[in-house]
Amino acid sequence: QSALTQPPSASGSPGQSVTISCTGTSSDVGGYNYVSWYQQHPGKAPKLMIYEVSKRPSGVPDRFSGSKSGNTASLTVSGLQAEDEADYYCSSYAGSNNFPYVFGTGTKVTVL
Amino acid sequence: EVQLVESGGGLVQPGGSLRLSCAASGFTFSSYAMHWVRQAPGKGLEYVSAISSNGGSTYYANSVKGRFTISRDNSKNTLYLQMGSLRAEDMAVYYCARDFDGSGSYDYWGQGTLVTVSS
Repeated sequence: QSALTQPPSASGSPGQSVTISCTGTSSDVGGYNYVSWYQQHPGKAPKLMIYEVSKRPSGVPDRFSGSKSGNTASLTVSGLQAEDEADYYCSSYAGSNNFPYVFGTGTKVTVL
Repeated sequence: EVQLVESGGGLVQPGGSLRLSCAASGFTFSSYAMHWVRQAPGKGLEYVSAISSNGGSTYYANSVKGRFTISRDNSKNTLYLQMGSLRAEDMAVYYCARDFDGSGSYDYWGQGTLVTVSS
């Protein structure tokens, strides 16, 4: 199973928005509404920010939103704050493959 | 409070074996699929293995198939990863994670345990 493709980096100034893409195939992102997004600060475990494409777990600010179009999912962080600077990973369910889970390559978000 | 606590990491020689454990508390362990995810130094997240709630189904990434074995003891609320024929490329922080909706979405993660493969 090939990793989902994310841009290596993205950046924005405080208060601005940044959008991260996650491109897969019709066998994963495009085939299921099971895309998740994780935030990871250095030395910490990942934290779930979005699941099932656009749902936010309790406690996640509504500045974080998710969407999907075809084989590409997106995470948008609005009103960027300093604490949003982190690595972000998407993941997708991939059905009845031998190993039906796949992560994205990861995106480093920098708050300028 | 949900907690996942990994243990068992450490230094092992190439070709050696190691068993990781993940002690779960604060939720009904037997109701959830559980996964192992790893992260090599400076690299991204990589799925390693998954096990269904009753242990009846297991999945392995191609990179570890035939060398690693995932298991669980629902009476002890513990997840395991038996790792064998370890290679340099297996060196990573290993996380256990709870799959809350069966699709590989993890709402809780452990703190991770470092596995170092070196002679």
